[in-house]
Amino acid sequence: EAQVTQNPRYLITVTGKKLTVTCSQNMNHEYMSWYRQDPGLGLRQIYYSMNVEVTDKGDVPEGYKVSRKEKRNFPLILESPSPNQTSLYFCASRLLAGGRSEQFFGPGTRLTVL
Amino acid sequence: ILNVEQSPQSLHVQEGDSTNFTCSFPSSNFYALHWYRWETAKSPEALFVMTLNGDEKKKGRISATLNTKEGYSYLYIKGSQPEDSATYLCAFEAGNQFYFGTGTSLTVIP
Repeated sequence: EAQVTQNPRYLITVTGKKLTVTCSQNMNHEYMSWYRQDPGLGLRQIYYSMNVEVTDKGDVPEGYKVSRKEKRNFPLILESPSPNQTSLYFCASRLLAGGRSEQFFGPGTRLTVL
Repeated sequence: ILNVEQSPQSLHVQEGDSTNFTCSFPSSNFYALHWYRWETAKSPEALFVMTLNGDEKKKGRISATLNTKEGYSYLYIKGSQPEDSATYLCAFEAGNQFYFGTGTSLTVIP
């Protein structure tokens, strides 16, 4: 089944404790992206990647890191999480070849930073 | 930061009613306009990707139009059903960055 998976789905952590949220897709998509969703705000793009070893900042990259060492994986790293990073996070992927295409979203990761 | 606005913020309609929502976006640096359907406790699912001024797309009872010159898109739902209840998001694509609106929450009352 074609899908985007994220782990963990729920995480409660404390300020300053490094964490990684994994994202993986099995559709051979070149483009992958991370978003955060906060009440009253639309989905905001954190980072995106056009292909292996190519990453770019989105609208709200501060406090986050990403890497794209393999095409299928795009982990989101919070080196020193803070309470303002408490949010619902979505990973998404899409095909780049053939023009503008839809994004496929993962199930989301709800992160709470105490 | 680009501004993408959706209206109304929420909408309650009776089963069988037809309805429409608006997405407004910048008219410059346009690559595509995306519509998504987002049900509670699920992840957003793509409805349409629209790229050309004057585009009209249709999927069952749902259709969308695009006006890139004036910077707006309409989403129409004909004969709303309770299963149409969801939040409908639009996203403006500029290059390879996406800017989402805050969504229109639709509730269809049986």
